[in-house]
Amino acid sequence: RKEVEQDPGPFNVPEGATVAFNCTYSNSASQSFFWYRQDCRKEPKLLMSVYSSGNEDGRFTAQLNRASQYISLLIRDSKLSDSATYLCVVTGSSNTGKLIFGQGTTLQVKP
Amino acid sequence: NAGVTQTPKFRVLKTGQSMTLLCAQDMNHEYMYWYRQDPGMGLRLIHYSVGEGTTAKGEVPDGYNVSRLKKQNFLLGLESAAPSQTSVYFCASSYRVGAGHSTDTQYFGPGTRLTVL
Repeated sequence: RKEVEQDPGPFNVPEGATVAFNCTYSNSASQSFFWYRQDCRKEPKLLMSVYSSGNEDGRFTAQLNRASQYISLLIRDSKLSDSATYLCVVTGSSNTGKLIFGQGTTLQVKP
Repeated sequence: NAGVTQTPKFRVLKTGQSMTLLCAQDMNHEYMYWYRQDPGMGLRLIHYSVGEGTTAKGEVPDGYNVSRLKKQNFLLGLESAAPSQTSVYFCASSYRVGAGHSTDTQYFGPGTRLTVL
């Protein structure tokens, strides 16, 4: 079983749609959780951290359910520029800053 | 600030050839990482370093060696390249855990696209 599992998609949605991505992780000792964004043939970049209380950044909302070991990302009012691959990321259990990456979910926003 | 830079950007090797990928960061980060990214596999950690002069194995270290002689540089070596090492290689860096900065964010270089024939 992969340590971080995501539906690879692709998710094809029209502009303005609301889309949600989910992710599950296997290590209950993981302490920190993130969503990274990766554009085609580019490097990953941090989109947002995920907190137990849930957090929002503009059109993006992230939530964490520690009991179910489940993370979600909601994108409202999708833009063409949101087309990318979204990587679910969790920290490992050691104190080395290591991150464990999911394989990513691809979003394609159509006009 | 250049951030994290990687050289070269592209390379084609023949099986059995050797090469070194260079990663440099100008953010005074303690931690540095080498990943490979393959279709359907996500990013996998090859080796990492928690400080100058230290290195450790990640998830997929076989066939690779690394060195961190200077804090700002992290080198990834392939001694005898194999077609299975065809991939995109990303370097990343972050602050040290407990240094008062968030270590949550890893800053990535632009990647090196390596093909082994």
